[in-house]
Amino acid sequence: DIQMTQSPSSLSASVGDRVTITCRASQGIRNDLGWYQQRPGKAPERLIYGASSLRSGIPSRFSGSGSGTEFTLTISSLQPEDFATYYCLQHNSYPLTFGGGTKVEIK
Amino acid sequence: QVQLQESGPGLVKPSQTLSLTCTVSGSSISSGGYYWSWIRQPPGKGLEWIGHIHSSGSTYYKPSLKSRVTISIDTSKNQFSLKLNSVTAADTALYYCASGLLMGFFDPWGQGTLVTVSS
Repeated sequence: DIQMTQSPSSLSASVGDRVTITCRASQGIRNDLGWYQQRPGKAPERLIYGASSLRSGIPSRFSGSGSGTEFTLTISSLQPEDFATYYCLQHNSYPLTFGGGTKVEIK
Repeated sequence: QVQLQESGPGLVKPSQTLSLTCTVSGSSISSGGYYWSWIRQPPGKGLEWIGHIHSSGSTYYKPSLKSRVTISIDTSKNQFSLKLNSVTAADTALYYCASGLLMGFFDPWGQGTLVTVSS
C-alpha cells in the first residue's frame, strides 16, 4: 500500500493567516492526489483534484501544488469557515489511501 | 445532482455481519460509469477507504478487509450495499458512501451512518 504522511497533524492559526499543509507519498503517485475538507460533524468535501486543480465552487484562497511524492495544500488567508480537518487522498494505485489528517484550529 | 443516503442498523453484535445500504437519487446507478464507494471513519480518527464497485459491476476492496467485505449494486432499487462479516469492536465507525466519475473523486458523499459493534 502507498502510505500518505500528512504534516502537521494539527495547527493553530488566526483568521487571515496563510496556512500550508504537506502530504508525502511513500512512492511516486504522479499528480493523482486530492484534498478533502471535513468540518466537524459533516461529511468530507473535495477541494482539489489532480494535485492542483480547484474544484468548481471552491474559493480561490485554496490552492494545491506538487507532483510525485510531495504535495501541499495552501490556504492563502484563513477564514472562519476554514477551521476543519484536511485530508489528502492518493488514487494512483489500489488500495486508495488517505493521509492521517491535519486539524486546523483557531488560535 | 446525485445525492446519497446511507441506512442500516446502528448496532451490530461481535462476529455478526454489518449490512449497510446507500440509496442513490438524481441519477441511475447503472449509467454514467460511476464508482460507488464505501469509506469509514472510527470515532475521532481518520478516513479509511473500504472499497468500490463500478457501474460496470467490477469491484475492488482494501486487501486487509477483502476476506470480509462484499459491495454490490441493486439496480432495481437504485442502491448499492456494503456487507462486512465477522465484525469486531475495531469495525465501529461512521460509515460513508460516496460516488465519483473517476476513481478517487469522491463527490458527493452521504451524510454518514454510525455503526457500533458491541454485545
